[in-house]
Amino acid sequence: QKEVEQNSGPLSVPEGAIASLNCTYSDRGSQSFFWYRQYSGKSPELIMFIYSNGDKEDGRFTAQLNKASQYVSLLIRDSQPSDSATYLCAVNRGPDQGGKLIFGQGTELSVKP
Amino acid sequence: ETGVTQTPRHLVMGMTNKKSLKCEQHLGHNAMYWYKQSAKKPLELMFVYSLEERVENNSVPSRFSPECPNSSHLFLHLHTLQPEDSALYLCASSQDSDRDNQPQHFGDGTRLSIL
Repeated sequence: QKEVEQNSGPLSVPEGAIASLNCTYSDRGSQSFFWYRQYSGKSPELIMFIYSNGDKEDGRFTAQLNKASQYVSLLIRDSQPSDSATYLCAVNRGPDQGGKLIFGQGTELSVKP
Repeated sequence: ETGVTQTPRHLVMGMTNKKSLKCEQHLGHNAMYWYKQSAKKPLELMFVYSLEERVENNSVPSRFSPECPNSSHLFLHLHTLQPEDSALYLCASSQDSDRDNQPQHFGDGTRLSIL
C-alpha cells in the first residue's frame, strides 16, 4: 500500500464547477497535510495546509481533513481554466519525522472552458 | 518568484561526466531539501539539511553527493550517473527541519537528462 494515494486523473471539470481532489494516507499518526499545485514545467506551489479535523477555507479553496478515515481533500469552487495543473498531496507523519514530507503521485486537473 | 533559485534549469550530461546542481534560498530558512521527481512517480526525498548539517540521507546512491556550505546554499554533485537518474531535481527550503507543521517552498528545478 502506498503511503499517500491520489487518483492520477486526469480529472476533467467544466469551468465554474467544483473540482474535488482526494487523498488518502496510510500512517494513522500523520499530523500535517499540505496541498501543492504544480503547473507543467514549474515548481510545486503551496496552496493550503491543514492540521486539524474539519474544513479550512481560503478563497476558492477548501481543504477537508478526516483523521479517523485517513482522508484529506481539496475542493476548488468556481473552477477556472487557470486551475488546470497537477495537484500534489503531501503528508508529514508527525513531530519525530521532522520536516519529511511524503508525497502522493498527484492528480491532474483539467478545467474546460 | 518563490525565493528559491535553482541553476541550471536544464542539464544534459554523459554517464562519465561530473556536474553540480546549485540551489539558493532567499527566505532566511534554516532547512533545505533535495527531491527527485520522475515521470508518473511521487516526489522522492533525497537529502535534508538543517543549519548546514545533513540530517537525512534517504538511501540515495553515492553517485549523488550533496553539499551545504551555509544555510542559504545547497549543491548536488553528480558523477557516473545512470540513464534512470534522468528526472527533475527539485530543491526546497523551510524554516526548520525538526518541526512537522512547516510548509516547504520549492525552486523551479533542474531538468536532468543522462545520455
